[in-house]
Amino acid sequence: DAGITQSPRHKVTETGTPVTLRCHQTENHRYMYWYRQDPGHGLRLIHYSYGVKDTDKGEVSDGYSVSRSKTEDFLLTLESATSSQTSVYFCAISRAGGPGYEQFFGPGTRLTVL
Amino acid sequence: GQQLNQSPQSMFIQEGEDVSMNCTSSSIFNTWLWYKQDPGEGPVLLIALYKAGELTSNGRLTAQFGITRKDSFLNISASIPSDVGIYFCAGQTPGNTGKLIFGQGTTLQVKP
Repeated sequence: DAGITQSPRHKVTETGTPVTLRCHQTENHRYMYWYRQDPGHGLRLIHYSYGVKDTDKGEVSDGYSVSRSKTEDFLLTLESATSSQTSVYFCAISRAGGPGYEQFFGPGTRLTVL
Repeated sequence: GQQLNQSPQSMFIQEGEDVSMNCTSSSIFNTWLWYKQDPGEGPVLLIALYKAGELTSNGRLTAQFGITRKDSFLNISASIPSDVGIYFCAGQTPGNTGKLIFGQGTTLQVKP
């Protein structure tokens, strides 16, 4: 158990509304990641963070923003949700300094945008 | 962008059979990881590989880091019903510290 929680676990929202997903870790890891998982696409990186207030874009960052004001929390915001953002979102953490930066995943948030 | 080609996409096998899946790329990797995902849950790390040619086992699972650094395979011996799930390979390329690229996944179904 990597001590990762995600909230909410399920959310249904309407097109055009803002949505924030939260990832919380208890083990003080430096790296945190947000992925989305869609059928046929595997896991795709949205944004990641390598420290407090240090973030960078992944391959599918359009329409998403992130913030990390504390080591333990990494927030993903959809400023104006669209139906194409219906997906399962996973947060992951990684211990800096390891040989392979193994990532450990949270339980996921299932988001439906109507 | 960089891609991992994972095959097969799906497998339907009889309990007790051995399973083999692999990932290939045109890029070289520093690290190969194999994950399993059960329905409704996040991926769980099974095996991590760090050196070309490395062969690592975890119970009935065996994975190898290809000698060219462009591929990896995962074998499951004597499959059981709880092996059902989606298996993902992931790799880290040189110069992409902290970031992984994931394969599309192999869906495994086991018939008792």
